[in-house]
Amino acid sequence: GDSVTQMEGPVTLSEEAFLTINCTYTATGYPSLFWYVQYPGEGLQLLLKATKADDKGSNKGFEATYRKETTSFHLEKGSVQVSDSAVYFCALSDRSNDYKLSFGAGTTVTVRA
Amino acid sequence: SQTIHQWPATLVQPVGSPLSLECTVEGTSNPNLYWYRQAAGRGLQLLFYSVGIGQISSEVPQNLSASRPQDRQFILSSKKLLLSDSGFYLCAWGWGEKLFFGSGTQLSVL
Repeated sequence: GDSVTQMEGPVTLSEEAFLTINCTYTATGYPSLFWYVQYPGEGLQLLLKATKADDKGSNKGFEATYRKETTSFHLEKGSVQVSDSAVYFCALSDRSNDYKLSFGAGTTVTVRA
Repeated sequence: SQTIHQWPATLVQPVGSPLSLECTVEGTSNPNLYWYRQAAGRGLQLLFYSVGIGQISSEVPQNLSASRPQDRQFILSSKKLLLSDSGFYLCAWGWGEKLFFGSGTQLSVL
């Protein structure tokens, strides 16, 4: 079945540091890939997505590229801010699974001033 | 605009007690509704989804049940809670791969 594996946290960074959160997936078909973010006290919200190989999703300075050859969708941001402190979830959606989302375990990121 | 309400935010219940978590959606009609759970150190696991009133699909066998008595109301229940039911429960609505989540309920069963 479909599954998502993302790097374990927590991750603690200083402001303006570079952030990478690794995510790899297993799927039977050609899934769409997502990063969701949960800020403190809020629900999950979609951060970015990519629907086919080599697509790059981007939003709020974050980027992730759909790499079919390595089955990966790593999240990156070049210069983080304190407001980026949140839990980040990698997820996939596959037509063979009726497009239901499968999530990774989540990575807690804390950015210090 | 569409909004989703989920309550309570935190809940502490003794083992063997009943559970009822409620989720309501406003500003949309006939959405797909979902209940997810995150146990400590694990990813978000889909528990139930519903494509319409009275239509519930269960993804994993468990001690919980779900009901959809109205178009925009989704309820997660248990008759007798187990310690293993502890976790973070999220309600979501949407269609296909586009989901919108509530703020979650942290359930601790002691």
